[in-house]
Amino acid sequence: QKEVEQNSGPLSVPEGAIASLNCTYSDRGSQSFFWYRQYSGKSPELIMFIYSNGDKEDGRFTAQLNKASQYVSLLIRDSQPSDSATYLCAVNRNGGFKTIFGAGTRLFVKA
Amino acid sequence: NAGVTQTPKFQVLKTGQSMTLQCAQDMNHNSMYWYRQDPGMGLRLIYYSASEGTTDKGEVPNGYNVSRLNKREFSLRLESAAPSQTSVYFCASSQSQGADPRANVLTFGAGSRLTVL
Repeated sequence: QKEVEQNSGPLSVPEGAIASLNCTYSDRGSQSFFWYRQYSGKSPELIMFIYSNGDKEDGRFTAQLNKASQYVSLLIRDSQPSDSATYLCAVNRNGGFKTIFGAGTRLFVKA
Repeated sequence: NAGVTQTPKFQVLKTGQSMTLQCAQDMNHNSMYWYRQDPGMGLRLIYYSASEGTTDKGEVPNGYNVSRLNKREFSLRLESAAPSQTSVYFCASSQSQGADPRANVLTFGAGSRLTVL
């Protein structure tokens, strides 16, 4: 079992819809959870992080964390074609130096 | 601010050749990392340097060596390149590690695409 698992996609949604990206992790000691976005041929960039159970909102993005289920998700509201990218889920043990990434989910937003 | 700068951006090697990827950050970050990214595999940690003067193995260290030259610079060396090392390499840095997850946020360089024939 991979430490961080994501559906590779592609996930295709129409413009204006909600895109839902999911991630599960195996290490119960994980305490920090990150979502990075990576455009084709570019480097990953941080969208947001979460470390408490529940929801965290930042503009059109909402991260959701359920530690009991070892599940993290990212919702993108009002999806735009510019949101088309690969979304990487990453987890870290606070105080640890190893941030472990999932393989990423490719998202296509159709205009 | 340049952030994290990697060189070279592209490199083609023959099997058995050696090369060094250079990385420098200007954000006064304490920790630096080397990842490789392969299709369907995501980012995998090769080596990291928690602070100046220290280095440690990550998930896939075999075939690589690193040097933390100073606080700003962290290099990755392939002593005898193999086709399995064909990949995109990313250098990253973070402020430090600790209880505050903001300290764990990674800033990435633009990447170095390496092909080993």
